[in-house]
Amino acid sequence: AQSVTQLDSHVSVSEGTPVLLRCNYSSSYSPSLFWYVQHPNKGLQLLLKYTSAATLVKGINGFEAEFKKSETSFHLTKPSAHMSDAAEYFCVVDNYGQNFVFGPGTRLSVLP
Amino acid sequence: EAQVTQNPRYLITVTGKKLTVTCSQNMNHEYMSWYRQDPGLGLRQIYYSMNVEVTDKGDVPEGYKVSRKEKRNFPLILESPSPNQTSLYFCASAVAQSYNEQFFGPGTRLTVL
Repeated sequence: AQSVTQLDSHVSVSEGTPVLLRCNYSSSYSPSLFWYVQHPNKGLQLLLKYTSAATLVKGINGFEAEFKKSETSFHLTKPSAHMSDAAEYFCVVDNYGQNFVFGPGTRLSVLP
Repeated sequence: EAQVTQNPRYLITVTGKKLTVTCSQNMNHEYMSWYRQDPGLGLRQIYYSMNVEVTDKGDVPEGYKVSRKEKRNFPLILESPSPNQTSLYFCASAVAQSYNEQFFGPGTRLTVL
């Protein structure tokens, strides 16, 4: 089965500075990959997805992620953090077309 | 409005008392799934269904049952709830292929005393 590692359980940045949330996956093929965001006491919303097209994927709210097969990584970035970006972020991989596997999540704090 | 609905949103119950959490989607999605979310563990899949009458175990199926008799509904059944099933539960649906976006319900917070 696939697995997902999110290297940081908590990331803290200042407003206006770049955001980097790291995700690595284990796979013997090129899976589909997703980033979801969960704001406090809310459901989950898709930020972006990679499905074997362009390796640099742009999502909503200025986020983007780059698929690097050689590093089995799919890190999420944003050039300038906003207070409203404070949330929990989940990296997700599809499991051989059967189901989805979630990473443990990274909590992003944005300081004024 | 396209959505996934779950009921109830909040539930407090006692050990051993059977309960059902309903999930319904109005997007004609083939794929539906149940997850539980616990602090530090992310979302873990309980069961999923690729279509009507087709269900499979996820990572943490013990203590849960599901059924998929209709395309739109995917109830989660706890025959004999225990305190370790206290969690936040999410239902999700998607078009059949796995590379499609999952749409999540608002969540059900369950407490088992």
